[in-house]
Amino acid sequence: NAGVTQTPKFRVLKTGQSMTLLCAQDMNHEYMYWYRQDPGMGLRLIHYSVGEGTTAKGEVPDGYNVSRLKKQNFLLGLESAAPSQTSVYFCASKVRGDGSYNEQFFGPGTRLTVL
Amino acid sequence: KQEVTQIPAALSVPEGENLVLNCSFTDSAIYNLQWFRQDPGKGLTSLLLIQSSQREQTSGRLNASLDKSSGRSTLYIAASQPGDSATYLCAVSRQRYAGNMLTFGGGTRLMVKP
Repeated sequence: NAGVTQTPKFRVLKTGQSMTLLCAQDMNHEYMYWYRQDPGMGLRLIHYSVGEGTTAKGEVPDGYNVSRLKKQNFLLGLESAAPSQTSVYFCASKVRGDGSYNEQFFGPGTRLTVL
Repeated sequence: KQEVTQIPAALSVPEGENLVLNCSFTDSAIYNLQWFRQDPGKGLTSLLLIQSSQREQTSGRLNASLDKSSGRSTLYIAASQPGDSATYLCAVSRQRYAGNMLTFGGGTRLMVKP
């Protein structure tokens, strides 16, 4: 199993440009998450999905959109990038919500710079 | 709003020393607590997960404890090695919250000197 993979690994955008980050997992997990990590801060949740076709807002959703058309993929979109969105983006997944199968598995991250 | 704090922010110890990393949270209504390791430029690796009904979990040289009532968790690393150098993050999951999203602390950056 590849686990959780993220594409691309690095990206530089100019202010106002758009892009989509792709997260893929091959563990048949129901739940998927997008976080951002800024220097000196912990990870903050942007959006999440509890199953195919569903999405919900997290702690810092403004400026981002997401889609979960297939169970294994979770896309994060930036329609009009801003310098404040310069960050490292992490995707995570887990089997389901309750019970002992509650461990989140993380991808390697995407480092995004907005000039 | 749940807040998670990790103290110290950075720690440097000589190889072989036993050490304790601290994590505190403001809302005791958690579902579980997870400790992660993050190497520079890398993603997060899960180390230990403690359910709210548990007091501790062990994996090799690592032992994590949880005192939900006082809002505290500790990660004990025995006989530290240079390979343990990394940032350690703790995160709590809200009780029965849809999506069970994690709230993270800021991390403790650990350096183990040979």
